[in-house]
Amino acid sequence: AQSVTQLGSHVSVSEGALVLLRCNYSSSVPPYLFWYVQYPNQGLQLLLKYTSAATLVKGINGFEAEFKKSETSFHLTKPSAHMSDAAEYFCAVRSNFGNEKLTFGTGTRLTIIP
Amino acid sequence: GAVVSQHPSWVICKSGTSVKIECRSLDFQATTMFWYRQFPKQSLMLMATSNEGSKATYEQGVEKDKFLINHASLTLSTLTVTSAHPEDSSFYICSAIRGETQYFGPGTRLLVL
Repeated sequence: AQSVTQLGSHVSVSEGALVLLRCNYSSSVPPYLFWYVQYPNQGLQLLLKYTSAATLVKGINGFEAEFKKSETSFHLTKPSAHMSDAAEYFCAVRSNFGNEKLTFGTGTRLTIIP
Repeated sequence: GAVVSQHPSWVICKSGTSVKIECRSLDFQATTMFWYRQFPKQSLMLMATSNEGSKATYEQGVEKDKFLINHASLTLSTLTVTSAHPEDSSFYICSAIRGETQYFGPGTRLLVL
């Protein structure tokens, strides 16, 4: 069984400040981990993914995430927030073999303060 | 690459009618596609897994006779909401598997009056 916990349903940061969105996972097998972003009334766009290669993963729009097995975490960061980063962010986990289903977290709404 | 489209992007229909939503993988072939439902300010709820050439696998609690899924080709899956009612109003999103990653369509907003 797999699960994802996203701490903080709402996060607000000032423009130019560090963005940190937290994701902890639970998985009985080695996981694949994903961060997706959703803008209003749109589908989900892949930001980045961890698939058992490098533990520090760089994605689009300046985001990156680090897989920490000891902490079962995959937190998303961006050094300097931009107004266009305001959106809903979802962390997701799946098994690295067999079942391709994704298990999503409940999402974190990121607000950027001008 | 890995573009997934959905059509229509939004639809309004009368209660009791059926609505078909298409999901296409535009630049790759997808043996497996997924259908999700999303309520306002909530996460995605997986409805079913669509496999090309075979019957869809529905999640617990999803009525297979109400939400008909057909995966007729490696680039097209359809979701038909039969005899739609206002409680079926929602945002429906599909995804397609490429490698180890799911790529999502832009979603279809359904409003049943």
